[in-house]
Amino acid sequence: AQTVTQSQPEMSVQEAETVTLSCTYDTSESNYYLFWYKQPPSRQMILVIRQEAYKQQNATENRFSVNFQKAAKSFSLKISDSQLGDTAMYFCAFMSHTGRRALTFGSGTRLQVQP
Amino acid sequence: DTEVTQTPKHLVMGMTNKKSLKCEQHMGHRAMYWYKQKAKKPPELMFVYSYEKLSINESVPSRFSPECPNSSLLNLHLHALQPEDSALYLCASTRTGHDSGNTIYFGEGSWLTVV
Repeated sequence: AQTVTQSQPEMSVQEAETVTLSCTYDTSESNYYLFWYKQPPSRQMILVIRQEAYKQQNATENRFSVNFQKAAKSFSLKISDSQLGDTAMYFCAFMSHTGRRALTFGSGTRLQVQP
Repeated sequence: DTEVTQTPKHLVMGMTNKKSLKCEQHMGHRAMYWYKQKAKKPPELMFVYSYEKLSINESVPSRFSPECPNSSLLNLHLHALQPEDSALYLCASTRTGHDSGNTIYFGEGSWLTVV
């Protein structure tokens, strides 16, 4: 079974600064998908960024980018130019490409952006 | 349109009541999910439907009964719930197929309180 670990329960960053959230995972599969979801106080789960394991190039979406290290099974999220609206719970998630087609979530990191 | 609609947004029910949560998507997705989320915890998978058939049941108690009447609708029937079942219930959907992209889209959730 896959596991996803987020070792930072809470983080804080000043507005306009850069912050990196950590995520590691464990799997025996070679092809899979990794995601970062954001859940603001409104509680809707919003996709931030996704990465396909067979792609070596790190995914980027505007101010959000990942550092995907497949051999190390590491998938960190970097948020540049942090904004107050980035305050939320961030979940790292794994999904198999061919097996179980459901997300396995990490425990989450609560990010607070300070003005 | 990447919208998953859940109703009701809030539900309060007694332990002897029967109620239902509803989820609808019109994105042509053929996989739909129910997740349960307690406060400050990640979502936990309950059920997965693929092509209107139940494909995953995470050993959920029978007081939760899922139903997928057609490819756009997913229901969760609730009966004889316990106070500890109070949580946010998230519906999600995705396309199927190994080249489908596999992004899972979530609804805003239904807050359930059992009294």
